[in-house]
Amino acid sequence: KQEVTQIPAALSVPEGENLVLNCSFTDSAIYNLQWFRQDPGKGLTSLLLIQSSQREQTSGRLNASLDKSSGRSTLYIAASQPGDSATYLCAVDNNDMRFGAGTRLTVKP
Amino acid sequence: GAGVSQTPSNKVTEKGKYVELRCDPISGHTALYWYRQSLGQGPEFLIYFQGTGAADDSGLPNDRFFAVRPEGSVSTLKIQRTERGDSAVYLCASSLRDSSTDTQYFGPGTRLTVL
Repeated sequence: KQEVTQIPAALSVPEGENLVLNCSFTDSAIYNLQWFRQDPGKGLTSLLLIQSSQREQTSGRLNASLDKSSGRSTLYIAASQPGDSATYLCAVDNNDMRFGAGTRLTVKP
Repeated sequence: GAGVSQTPSNKVTEKGKYVELRCDPISGHTALYWYRQSLGQGPEFLIYFQGTGAADDSGLPNDRFFAVRPEGSVSTLKIQRTERGDSAVYLCASSLRDSSTDTQYFGPGTRLTVL
């Protein structure tokens, strides 16, 4: 059974810092990996989707990498802003989506 | 419609009652997913529809849970004889074809509280 782990569980940084969120998974036979953002009391918003054949995807200040062989992905956020405060979830798809528990990010002004 | 919608946004019920949760996917999306999210956890997969049929229902926890999508659009998640442990946020998502290639778009969820 696929297990998805996210480290750290919570992170607090001052505005402007660059930061890295980590995701690891146990079964490397995946179709894709997605990073989502979840604001309190809201649904999930997809940030980046990396297909299994890809190594990274970029969108604005966000960059996600995928190393399937080692079962790892990172989400890099550049020049963090208070509006980035949210919970970030990673999910892997191998026949059904498995989510990590998320990293709760707080960016202080 | 603009996105995935779910109704009701909140549902409070008593132990043993029957509840129905509704999901309206994005128009034209053939794939529809239901998840359950407990406090402090990531969403847990329940069931996946491709068109009208349940392509994968392996995540349904027991036979008290059932979902339908009779016309390949709106879906209803049905929970019989609710238990306190069923309390969670139930999320619905849709994608154009299937999640192996397409982004899933999530609704805001229904918060179910079983007293």
